Amino acid sequence: NAGVMQNPRHLVRRRGQEARLRCSPVKGHSHVYWYRQLPEEGLKFMVYLQKENIIDESGMPKERFSAEFPKEGPSILRIQQVVRGDSAAYFCASSPPASGIYEQYFGPGTRLTVT
Amino acid sequence: GEDVEQSLFLSVREGDSSVINCTYTDSSSTYLYWYKQEPGAGLQLLTYIFSNMDMKQDQRLTVLLNKKDKHLSLRIADTQTGDSAIYFCAESTQAGTALIFGKGTTLSVSS
Repeated sequence: NAGVMQNPRHLVRRRGQEARLRCSPVKGHSHVYWYRQLPEEGLKFMVYLQKENIIDESGMPKERFSAEFPKEGPSILRIQQVVRGDSAAYFCASSPPASGIYEQYFGPGTRLTVT
Repeated sequence: GEDVEQSLFLSVREGDSSVINCTYTDSSSTYLYWYKQEPGAGLQLLTYIFSNMDMKQDQRLTVLLNKKDKHLSLRIADTQTGDSAIYFCAESTQAGTALIFGKGTTLSVSS
């Protein structure tokens, strides 16, 4: 039974490029959450999505960041025109429909380095 | 606003008990959580406690909740070297749509 999968595990981008982070939730999970972990910090909530809908994006920076969770395929977190301050570990979590945040399963994360 | 505070480091000897403390701000949180993160890995849910409980025990883990003081603790009995990791305390947001994490406590276990 595969857990949450994220790819790539490591991503290096130059300033100004785009970063695309993918998250495949646990099979049957329809809720996806994205969190960002800056060095020596805890995880900060970014966005909560259900299939084809953004439920809560209160933690998303207003510019350059977007997320989607299409009907088919993985959830994508997209960062346009990356800057050095975007360097962080980005974690995706998923949960089954009935449990919501009470039963989040985390992926291994994507470590983004902006040079 | 919602906030979770933890001490940053704890060092213990193998076989001793570890106690990791956490304070939180949102008294309306229904559940409070402890997660474990090993190097280079994602977060693993260790245990959680419902807000109307004072204590929850799960094998070597004991969670204590003092709702009046908004204080949560995680006790690990007979700590092993494999318990070395970062431990995160978390509460849910008021909207109930996400978790708020502390900065994490790095537990170092020496043999």
